[in-house]
Amino acid sequence: NAGVTQTPKFQVLKTGQSMTLQCAQDMNHEYMSWYRQDPGMGLRLIHYSVGAGITDQGEVPNGYNVSRSTTEDFPLRLLSAAPSQTSVYFCASSLLTGALHFGNGTRLTVT
Amino acid sequence: DQQVKQNSPSLSVQEGRISILNCDYTNSMFDYFLWYKKYPAEGPTFLISISSIKDKNEDGRFTVFLNKSAKHLSLHIVPSQPGDSAVYFCAASGGSGGSNYKLTFGKGTLLTVNP
Repeated sequence: NAGVTQTPKFQVLKTGQSMTLQCAQDMNHEYMSWYRQDPGMGLRLIHYSVGAGITDQGEVPNGYNVSRSTTEDFPLRLLSAAPSQTSVYFCASSLLTGALHFGNGTRLTVT
Repeated sequence: DQQVKQNSPSLSVQEGRISILNCDYTNSMFDYFLWYKKYPAEGPTFLISISSIKDKNEDGRFTVFLNKSAKHLSLHIVPSQPGDSAVYFCAASGGSGGSNYKLTFGKGTLLTVNP
């Protein structure tokens, strides 16, 4: 099993550009979520989904959009990148109860 | 306001000794607590969890203790091994029946186990 796959691993954007961070899981997990990790900070929840067609906001949702059209995929869209969005982004999935499985992260730099 | 606090940014122990990582929380609604371990350039991996109805949970070398009155939990690793060197995150959730919904993470503690 591949588990949780995130692409790309690294990305550099200019301020104002948009992009989509991809996340796919092959474990048939209902729950998927996006976190960001900044230096000296814990992981902070951006958006989450409890199933296809259902999404909700986490702690730091501003500047990001998500959709969940299938169980497997949960892309994160940056609408207009800002330097404050420079971070490492982690996608995670799980059954509705049980441990979160994380991807290996996308390191994003916005200049 | 930080709801989950790991006040020690780093901890260094000798191989074979006990490692104790601490975590405090402020939100009384938290009822499920987890520890994750993270190596560089990898995502966090689940280590152990505890529900608020328990005060101890053990899994091999790892034991988590929960003191609800003090809003404090700790992770004990015995014996510590060099491969345990990683960043350890404490996380908590509340009101969701033990699920991972809306986990709140601490800032992490870097554990270094010296051979």
